[in-house]
Amino acid sequence: AQTVTQSQPEMSVQEAETVTLSCTYDTSESDYYLFWYKQPPSRQMILVIRQEAYKQQNATENRFSVNFQKAAKSFSLKISDSQLGDAAMYFCAYSINTGNQFYFGTGTSLTVIP
Amino acid sequence: DTAVSQTPKYLVTQMGNDKSIKCEQNLGHDTMYWYKQDSKKFLKIMFSYNNKELIINETVPNRFSPKSPDKAHLNLHINSLELGDSAVYFCASSLTTLQETQYFGPGTRLLVL
Repeated sequence: AQTVTQSQPEMSVQEAETVTLSCTYDTSESDYYLFWYKQPPSRQMILVIRQEAYKQQNATENRFSVNFQKAAKSFSLKISDSQLGDAAMYFCAYSINTGNQFYFGTGTSLTVIP
Repeated sequence: DTAVSQTPKYLVTQMGNDKSIKCEQNLGHDTMYWYKQDSKKFLKIMFSYNNKELIINETVPNRFSPKSPDKAHLNLHINSLELGDSAVYFCASSLTTLQETQYFGPGTRLLVL
C-alpha cells in the first residue's frame, strides 16, 4: 500500500527564519510525482511545489525548495525567510499514474511567530 | 476569474436529507476530482472523472453519486445524509491526469445535524 507520512503535526518558526517540514512515503513504483500543498485558514488548497521522481534535481520555487531523497523515500519542504503569510497547514502528496492513485499526508500545521 | 468554483460554500442540513454540491472549472481541464476533508484535516480522494468518465471510485458509500454533465462540471449528490458525512468537500481539477498539478476549489463545509 502506498502511504504518505508527515511526522510533525505542528511546527513553528520565527519570522525570517528557515523551517523544514518532513514527509516520507512508501511505494514500490519508480515513476511518480510528489507535491506540497498549502492550506491557509481560508481552507483553499494551494500548490506550493511539485517534483517528478525521475528528476534528480530538487525543485525550487522562490523561498520554497525540496530535498528529494528517492532512495530514502523522503521529500522534505524547506521554507526560507519565513513570512507571516506562510502560516498554514502543509500537506505532502503523492501520485502515480497506474491505477490513478493519489494520497495526501496528514498535514503539518505551521505557525510563524512575529 | 475563479478557476474552480463550488456552490454552496456552506451547507447545514438535517440527517436523512438529500443534498447536492456543484463544481465548475473554467480552466479547460480534462480531469476533475472530489475530496473529503474530515475534522482532523485528513484529505481523502473520493472520485475522479476524466472527460466525463469515472476513473477513480474509492470506497465511498453508494449514497454518494457524482455526476459529470460535461468536462467542466462535476457535481456531487449525497442521499440520506448521516452525521458522519459532516466534513469539508473539495472539488479539484487537473489538465490531464493525477501527475498534473491539481487546482482546488474553495471547499464546501457540510454540517449534518
